[in-house]
Amino acid sequence: GQNIDQPTEMTATEGAIVQINCTYQTSGFNGLFWYQQHAGEAPTFLSYNVLDGLEEKGRFSSFLSRSKGYSYLLLKELQMKDSASYLCAVRPDQTGANNLFFGTGTRLTVIP
Amino acid sequence: SAVISQKPSRDICQRGTSLTIQCQVDSQVTMMFWYRQQPGQSLTLIATANQGSEATYESGFVIDKFPISRPNLTFSTLTVSNMSPEDSSIYLCSVPEGGEQFFGPGTRLTVL
Repeated sequence: GQNIDQPTEMTATEGAIVQINCTYQTSGFNGLFWYQQHAGEAPTFLSYNVLDGLEEKGRFSSFLSRSKGYSYLLLKELQMKDSASYLCAVRPDQTGANNLFFGTGTRLTVIP
Repeated sequence: SAVISQKPSRDICQRGTSLTIQCQVDSQVTMMFWYRQQPGQSLTLIATANQGSEATYESGFVIDKFPISRPNLTFSTLTVSNMSPEDSSIYLCSVPEGGEQFFGPGTRLTVL
């Protein structure tokens, strides 16, 4: 089976930096994804890591360590609109099946 | 990125009935995925819809309960059969593109 763990909830202050961690144990590895999901909406793609290291996209960065089965999503200069759930997902199949398995999601609340 | 639409966007159904959800993509894709998101939870993969062959179901999901059609490379349907209140969820279709994976807006189903 696939096991993907994230904290359930986090709270951070507007303007600050927050790091959301994700650990995984899967049958294979062919990429790790982060999605943002606002209440009542579909997930929107944030980032994708397949090699070790840091990927930066504006205020959002994602890090991957394959040897440790670990990733984090870093959000800088937090804004109130960043209050959402953040989903970590792993694509375990290397045969091209492309399906993703999701963690339970981290509900982030940004406070003034 | 792929543009994905779903119909209906929401529905309220009676126990014991069935609902068919449609997913339309604006480009041809080999694989389409159907996910379920139960209230307050993350996404769970139901099945992979393959064009020209039977869908591949994940553990805990069966064809009799969730029959899937994939008549061409831009369209798929998921039927939720003999519904019970436990089937109340958001159902999302998803397609891979360019290493990323995109989601439709979801169908919010409430079973009374």
